[in-house]
Amino acid sequence: GAVVSQHPSRVICKSGTSVKIECRSLDFQATTMFWYRQFPKQSLMLMATSNEGSKATYEQGVEKDKFLINHASLTLSTLTVTSAHPEDSSFYICSATEQNNSPLHFGNGTRLTVT
Amino acid sequence: ILNVEQSPQSLHVQEGDSTNFTCSFPSSNFYALHWYRWETAKSPEALFVMTLNGDEKKKGRISATLNTKEGYSYLYIKGSQPEDSATYLCASPTTTDSWGKFQFGAGTQVVVTP
Repeated sequence: GAVVSQHPSRVICKSGTSVKIECRSLDFQATTMFWYRQFPKQSLMLMATSNEGSKATYEQGVEKDKFLINHASLTLSTLTVTSAHPEDSSFYICSATEQNNSPLHFGNGTRLTVT
Repeated sequence: ILNVEQSPQSLHVQEGDSTNFTCSFPSSNFYALHWYRWETAKSPEALFVMTLNGDEKKKGRISATLNTKEGYSYLYIKGSQPEDSATYLCASPTTTDSWGKFQFGAGTQVVVTP
């Protein structure tokens, strides 16, 4: 089955530093990947749609300069949290789909803690 | 209903008992409804993709029904086992223009006790 790999699974960083999270589709090509954020006891909130070879599409209220997305190849999308602050501490998870009308395949997620 | 909502937020089930829970979604401009199972320390796993009103899908002891006219889906677990313990998410596309943009419910956390 289709597998999405996400790294790192857990990261602790200091305020002001940047953190990069990688999302890879291991056995299929994904022209589009999705980045979600989850706060405790809340639903997965779509942050942005990552498009291979073009700019990401951000959801309303998501700062594109804070959350940089790069989708340089058909199997890799990265999310960089720039100048991280404690309020950026959250659970981030990516997903991709093989084709329209197919289910989403998720990475394992990244728990980010900013101290 | 403007958002995807799930109830209850959590439930405890005795091993061997059956249970069910609900996902409500906007019924206007319906396109699809997904169910996912999310076990601790793992990634969410797709259970069902449902598109037709009246659809009923089954995977082992787990089944789901869909009512697109009234905007709800039920997920049933028959004869619950400890390995069924997980958070069950439902999701519906927010737009038909771009597949994959989903609105998720907050999930129903199921705990099956031996």
